Amino acid sequence: KNEVEQSPQNLTAQEGEFITINCSYSVGISALHWLQQHPGGGIVSLFMLSSGKKKHGRLIATINIQEKHSSLHITASHPRDSAVYICAVRSGDDKIIFGKGTRLHILP
Amino acid sequence: DAGVIQSPRHEVTEMGQEVTLRCKPISGHNSLFWYRQTMMRGLELLIYFNNNVPIDDSGMPEDRFSAKMPNASFSTLKIQPSEPRDSAVYFCASSLYSPLHFGNGTRLTVT
Repeated sequence: KNEVEQSPQNLTAQEGEFITINCSYSVGISALHWLQQHPGGGIVSLFMLSSGKKKHGRLIATINIQEKHSSLHITASHPRDSAVYICAVRSGDDKIIFGKGTRLHILP
Repeated sequence: DAGVIQSPRHEVTEMGQEVTLRCKPISGHNSLFWYRQTMMRGLELLIYFNNNVPIDDSGMPEDRFSAKMPNASFSTLKIQPSEPRDSAVYFCASSLYSPLHFGNGTRLTVT
C-alpha cells in the first residue's frame, strides 16, 4: 500500500463545478504539500500545510492531522484548472513522499 | 527572481554515455531536491541536500547515479553509464522552510 494515496485518480467536470481532491497518508508528517503540474510539465507548489486550512484565490486546502487526511478544493472551476494535482508529505524523518496524482479535466 | 534553473531542457543520449544534469537553486534557499518522474512510478525523490550536504540519498536508484552540490548555487546529477530505463523527466527543486520551488525539468531520453 502506498504511504500517500490520492483520490480520485482521474476527474472530469464541467466548468463552474466545485472540485474536491483527497489525500490520505499513513506516516507521521511535518508538512503536506499540494502541487500542480500542467500539461507542459512544469510543477508549481500551491500550498504547504501543517494544520488547519489555507486559501488562495479559488483554491482551498485543508488538513486533518488526527485523521491523516487532506483535501484540495477548487471553487468555480475553469478549464485552465485542468492539470495533475499531486499531494506530497514531508515525513517525520524528513523524506518527501508523493501521491500518484489526480488528473483533473475541466470541460468548457 | 529567475526561479530554479535547470539545464539542459532536453537530453537525448545513447545507452552507455555519461549524462550530467544541472540545477541552479533560488538564491538563499538552503534545501535542494532532485526528483525523477516517469509514467509508471510518478514522482520520486532521488536525493536532497541541506546547506550543500547530502542528507538522504536513499532514493538514488543505484551506483550509476551520483549527485553533488559543490556550493549553494549549483548542483549536478550524473548518470554513468546511462541506460534506457533512466529515461524520465528529472526535476530539481529548492526551498527555504517554505513551499517547494521546482525547475522546469530535464527530459532525458536514453536510446
